[in-house]
This record gives sequence, C-alpha cells and structure tokens, in this order.
Amino acid sequence: DIQLTQSPSLLSASVGDRVTITCRASPDIRNYLGWYQQKPGKAPKLLIYAASTLQSGVPSRFSGSGSGTEFTLIISSLQPEDFATYYCQRLNSFPFTFGPGTKVHVK
Amino acid sequence: EVHLVESGGGLVQPGGSLRLSCAASEFIFRSYSMNWVRQAPGKGLEWISYISSTSNTIKYADSVEGRFTISRDNAKNSLYLQMNSLRGEDTAVYYCARVRGDYILGSYYYYMDVWGKGTTVTVSS
Repeated sequence: DIQLTQSPSLLSASVGDRVTITCRASPDIRNYLGWYQQKPGKAPKLLIYAASTLQSGVPSRFSGSGSGTEFTLIISSLQPEDFATYYCQRLNSFPFTFGPGTKVHVK
Repeated sequence: EVHLVESGGGLVQPGGSLRLSCAASEFIFRSYSMNWVRQAPGKGLEWISYISSTSNTIKYADSVEGRFTISRDNAKNSLYLQMNSLRGEDTAVYYCARVRGDYILGSYYYYMDVWGKGTTVTVSS
C-alpha cells in the first residue's frame, strides 16, 4: 500500500507567519492529492485537490504544489482561524489513505 | 445548502452490530459516489469505505473488510454502513463524505468536498 507521511507533525506559528507543511508519498501518486483542514470537534474541510487546485470558497492564502512523491501546503499569512490540523490524502487509487496530520498551534 | 447528516451511532458491546445512516439533501444524491471516514479519539482520519453512484463499485479498508458493509438507497437519498463484529478499535466518530470528480487537463481527480458532522460509535463492555 501507498504510505503518506507529513512533516512536521506539530508546528508552532504566529499570526502573519508563512507556514509550510510537507506530505510525502511512497510510491509515486502523480498529483492525486488533497489537503483538508480540521478544527477540534468539527468535520474536515477540503482545501485543495489535484495537489494544487483551490477548492471554491477557500481563501487564496492557501496554496498547494508538488507532484509524484513530495507535496506542499503553504499558508502565506497565517490567520487566527487557521490554527487547526491539516491532513493530506491520496486519491489515485484505493485505499484513499490520509496522512497522519500536522497540527498548527499558537507559538 | 448541501447537507449530509449522519445518525445511528451509540454504545455497543464488543462483537455487536450497528447500522449507521447518512441522509443527503440539496444535491442530486444518485449522481455522486460516497465514502465513510472515521476518526478514533485523539487520532487522525481513516478512510474506511467507498461506494459508487450506482453501487457498482464498492471498496473497503483492510481494517473493516469482511465486517462492515456499505450500501445506499438513491430513492431515499441515503447512505448506510452496516457494522458487524465490532471491536474496541472501531470506537470513533464516523463521517460520511461526498466524492466529487473533476477533469483537469485530461485527467480525472476525485476529492471529498462535502462532509457530515459525524456520529459517534463507542464499542465497550
């Protein structure tokens, strides 16, 4: 099965910071990757699909890039509502595995 | 507004069964594939099952294969998850999620764009 790893698992940041989260896949998943945001007690929210396509309604400070085995989610200027856990997910074939998550918390 | 509402969660003993439901509204349910995703307490997301719009394609995670059964009733705009032989490690919040697909530059991409709020399943004696 394809494995997904995320780094870091925990990220301390301040409002206004540029935040970068990495997701690695093994083996290659081309660009069949999604990113989700989840806040405590809430359902996940789709941010990005096809590695770099912003979901409708998602602020433009979120962006995704990458292909193959390495992917990046960038928040260009962290806002108070962005403190949350972020998950990547492979969607090229079953199982639709999620990464272990990256929690972004207040520094 | 597009809506998914899960129900049917609760406390069940190990070895027991439970049937979850997911009611869809404000979209053409029969046109979309659906998934179940779960999250154990304090843990990450785990995809567990997929069903295509016509039920022709059904997939399961290894962790639930042979114990869980996904189904749908397009006439009732509803998705189901029959869970048998439940174990402690099945304790989780269970979410249903709509699967959407788009063509981008000639390739077809899936993603889960609408999620319910979840229903909690606790397996304990």
